[in-house]
Amino acid sequence: SAVISQKPSRDICQRGTSLTIQCQVDSQVTMMFWYRQQPGQSLTLIATANQGSEATYESGFVIDKFPISRPNLTFSTLTVSNMSPEDSSIYLCSVGYNRGTEAFFGQGTRLTVV
Amino acid sequence: DAKTTQPTSMDCAEGRAANLPCNHSTISGNEYVYWYRQIHSQGPQYIIHGLKNNETNEMASLIITEDRKSSTLILPHATLRDTAVYYCIRTTGGGGSNYKLTFGKGTLLTVNP
Repeated sequence: SAVISQKPSRDICQRGTSLTIQCQVDSQVTMMFWYRQQPGQSLTLIATANQGSEATYESGFVIDKFPISRPNLTFSTLTVSNMSPEDSSIYLCSVGYNRGTEAFFGQGTRLTVV
Repeated sequence: DAKTTQPTSMDCAEGRAANLPCNHSTISGNEYVYWYRQIHSQGPQYIIHGLKNNETNEMASLIITEDRKSSTLILPHATLRDTAVYYCIRTTGGGGSNYKLTFGKGTLLTVNP
């Protein structure tokens, strides 16, 4: 299994500012993902964080708004840039090893933009 | 189409088996079926996954039809703490380590006393 530490656990931010969320895993993992969960909704995949290269974004998500870093096999960051109230969501980090094995989720960062 | 189809909600009596269905009629031969659940305000919790064969672990059983177009998650003795949203997910993406989990809307299972 993998233990994921996600920071901060929650934050309240002013519109127009940016917030960087950190995801630290206690072991080296192959895959790291970032999800968004809007109030009352299911999880939506934002991007796959690739070590040493640009993240792979899903349709509707762009690097300028959600820049992602992954400097090594245990750490990734997601930045929510130029925030608006519509960005108020829970942001979750997920990690996995290979296809056919389980993926693990952090407890999420609850972001409120005012 | 990487979607799965699940009922929006289900009820189950405490102590009885909960059977949660999932349709994935367009699944391809190398795609796994995963089940996760999410209890309010928590991160999703892994339950079980499978490719072709039925699987069982300490939490649940997964029954996959022979044609792999549908599956059923079975919680053998549901408790009140099993009340959650249950997600049936197909892995999508390339082979080997290149994959991703795409969530649908899930089933809200309510276990009643």
